[in-house]
Amino acid sequence: GENVEQHPSTLSVQEGDSAVIKCTYSDSASNYFPWYKQELGKRPQLIIDIRSNVGEKKDQRIAVTLNKTAKHFSLHITETQPEDSAVYFCAANLPGTASKLTFGTGTRLQVTL
Amino acid sequence: DADVTQTPRNRITKTGKRIMLECSQTKGHDRMYWYRQDPGLGLRLIYYSFDVKDINKGEISDGYSVSRQAQAKFSLSLESAIPNQTALYFCATSDLGRQGLEDGYTFGSGTRLTVV
Repeated sequence: GENVEQHPSTLSVQEGDSAVIKCTYSDSASNYFPWYKQELGKRPQLIIDIRSNVGEKKDQRIAVTLNKTAKHFSLHITETQPEDSAVYFCAANLPGTASKLTFGTGTRLQVTL
Repeated sequence: DADVTQTPRNRITKTGKRIMLECSQTKGHDRMYWYRQDPGLGLRLIYYSFDVKDINKGEISDGYSVSRQAQAKFSLSLESAIPNQTALYFCATSDLGRQGLEDGYTFGSGTRLTVV
């Protein structure tokens, strides 16, 4: 099955700085890589995703990059704001009839004033 | 966002008791999942179902069972609860997008279960 590793486990940045969270996956057949944000006491919510046919995707202040050769993908948040403080999870999907997501262990991002 | 609803939101139960967590959805998705969340361990898959007649074990299914009563309903049972099943449990749904490609999950609001 798929294995997803996520780093760092905690990340503290000052407001306005950039934050980068990195994930690696084990199965080269994986083709879908979503990122979820979980605010305190809330459910995880999809914030951005990327498929294996593209190398980068942006949505305002967030972007995701994918390196299929190295089997890693990263979340980039620019101009961080206090409301970006949350736990972020990466995930990878194996295609096929048993398709399901395997999640990383999460990164707690703290944006300080 | 009430389209994936979990009940109860919080539950405290005693060791050895049977407990059922319920999930219902109005998204019309065929695929439903149960995950548990533990600090430092992320989200781990317990069971998943791709339609009413399809039930599959995830990576940590021991001690759990599920029932897919209808397309919209997927229940998780702990037959004899034990303290290390104390966790936050999430139900999720998904479907294939317009191009037949996998889409992201929609999570329910979670059930915080404490086994004492």
